[in-house]
This record gives sequence, structure tokens and C-alpha cells, in this order.
Amino acid sequence: GENVEQHPSTLSVQEGDSAVIKCTYSDSASNYFPWYKQELGKRPQLIIDIRSNVGEKKDQRIAVTLNKTAKHFSLHITETQPEDSAVYFCAAAKTSYDKVIFGPGTSLSVIP
Amino acid sequence: DVKVTQSSRYLVKRTGEKVFLECVQDMDHENMFWYRQDPGLGLRLIYFSYDVKMKEKGDIPEGYSVSREKKERFSLILESASTNQTSMYLCASSYDTDTQYFGPGTRLTVL
Repeated sequence: GENVEQHPSTLSVQEGDSAVIKCTYSDSASNYFPWYKQELGKRPQLIIDIRSNVGEKKDQRIAVTLNKTAKHFSLHITETQPEDSAVYFCAAAKTSYDKVIFGPGTSLSVIP
Repeated sequence: DVKVTQSSRYLVKRTGEKVFLECVQDMDHENMFWYRQDPGLGLRLIYFSYDVKMKEKGDIPEGYSVSREKKERFSLILESASTNQTSMYLCASSYDTDTQYFGPGTRLTVL
């Protein structure tokens, strides 16, 4: 079955710097790659996703890149702010009626 | 506005008890999921369902069962609770392979 790995497990950056979180997946049939953000004590929420027919997607300060050949995808956060501090989960899934497999998470701390 | 609710935020049970965790969504989503969240292990899928009365095992189904009698409700059952089932349990729902909307979670402690 699908296996999703995520690195680093913890990341600390200065406010204003960029943060990059990387994930790899094992099942070449996966074609949907969402990213979720979970603030302390809250539920995970989708922040951005990408499908396999696209190599990059941007939404303001966040962007995701996908390399299907290498089976890895990354989350990039630019101009980090303290409110970006959270646990970020990457995930991978195939088409309809299949499970979404999450990575173990990255705890991001943005230091003011 | 999207809404996924779970029956309890905190629950304390004793070893051997039967435990029911309920999840309700009001978005008419076909897919519903149960995860457990443990530090350093992320979100691990226990069971999911893509239709009423349908269920599929996730990665860690042992010790759990589920029930989906109505589209909006997905129940997780611990037949005989054990201490290693102490965890945060998160329910989610989605339409097709799309955004998952999570409930607030139930922190279960088994003594």
C-alpha cells in the first residue's frame, strides 16, 4: 500500500524566512496530494492541494511542487509569520473511493 | 458552512468497556473516515466508508469496528477498550477524493 514519508519532523525558522517541507510517496498511482495545517488544539484544515497533472501551484505565500517521476512533493512557505506555527501534514491519494494516507507531520515554529 | 461534529471532546473509559464514538456531517458527503492521532505518528487511518453500509479497513483496524447506517453518521466502536487505545480520535468527511473536513476530535483515555 501507499507509504508517505515527511521531513523534517521539526522545523524552526525566523519570522520572514522561508520554510520548506518535503514528502515522498511510494505508490505511483497516487494522483492527489493535499497539505493540511493543524494549529495547537485545533482540527486539521486543508491549506493547498495539487493533482498529478500539475507541477506547481501557488496561493499567496504558500506553494506546492510535485515531481511525479521522483515521487516527491514539497510545501514552500515564504515570508513566514508567527501564525504559520503549526503542524503540517502532507498526504497522498488515488482516485475516488480510496483512502488518503498522511505523512507523520512537521512541527513548524516561526520565531518572532 | 461545513460542519463535522463528534459526540464527545473528552472521554474516560475503563479497560474492557465497549466504547462508541460518533461522527455526524451535514454536507451530504459520501466518504467518511476515522483516524487516530498520536505524537510523532501523524494521522493513521483506522477505517473509512464511501457509502452507506460500506466500510473499508485502513492501516490500523485491529481492535476497532465501524458502522454506517445513515449517510451522515459514521460510528467507531471499540469492542473491548485497552490502554493502548488511549489517543485522539479524529473523524473526517469528504466528497470524492477531495478536501477532507475534520471534526474537533475526541480525546479518549482508557484506564
